[in-house]
Amino acid sequence: DGGITQSPKYLFRKEGQNVTLSCEQNLNHDAMYWYRQDPGQGLRLIYYSQIVNDFQKGDIAEGYSVSREKKESFPLTVTSAQKNPTAFYLCASSPGGAPMNIQYFGAGTRLSVL
Amino acid sequence: GNSVTQMEGPVTLSEEAFLTINCTYTATGYPSLFWYVQYPGEGLQLLLKATKADDKGSNKGFEATYRKETTSFHLEKGSVQVSDSAVYFCALTLNYGQNFVFGPGTRLSVLP
Repeated sequence: DGGITQSPKYLFRKEGQNVTLSCEQNLNHDAMYWYRQDPGQGLRLIYYSQIVNDFQKGDIAEGYSVSREKKESFPLTVTSAQKNPTAFYLCASSPGGAPMNIQYFGAGTRLSVL
Repeated sequence: GNSVTQMEGPVTLSEEAFLTINCTYTATGYPSLFWYVQYPGEGLQLLLKATKADDKGSNKGFEATYRKETTSFHLEKGSVQVSDSAVYFCALTLNYGQNFVFGPGTRLSVLP
């Protein structure tokens, strides 16, 4: 089955620690995205990548980093510089190119601070 | 800039009631419009979409019509079920499909 796999489902971060959230897709999509969702709020774009080895900052990139070394993988690192990391993180992908792109989402990773 | 506004929730309905969730947008170009649904603890799933004016998207009894003159894409369902309880997001993307803009979401609770 094609889809987007995020892992782990739950993640705990200690003070001063960097943690990495995994996102893998087997849909052969060019574009991948990371969003943050806070309770009762909508999605905010952290980073996105249109092609391998290229990525762009979204609206709230500070305290986060990404890489796109392979088409199917787009890991997100939450660094110690992100002072309020507790949130639900969603990864998405889309075919790229348009004229109309549908974004497909993973099941999410819930990050909490210990 | 581009933005999406949705009616504030939560919306609480009895089973078999009629549902409307309002969505209006502002866009610098000619957007494609979407409704996504998020069930508790899960990611978002595409519910329906429309790409041009007067298009009607439909799925699972839900419908929304792209109204360019009122810049709206209201979600409707004639008879809701308990299983429809979720958060609904209206979204747009412009023709080059680079980024999506999501509304804040509307939580729907359907009571038996």
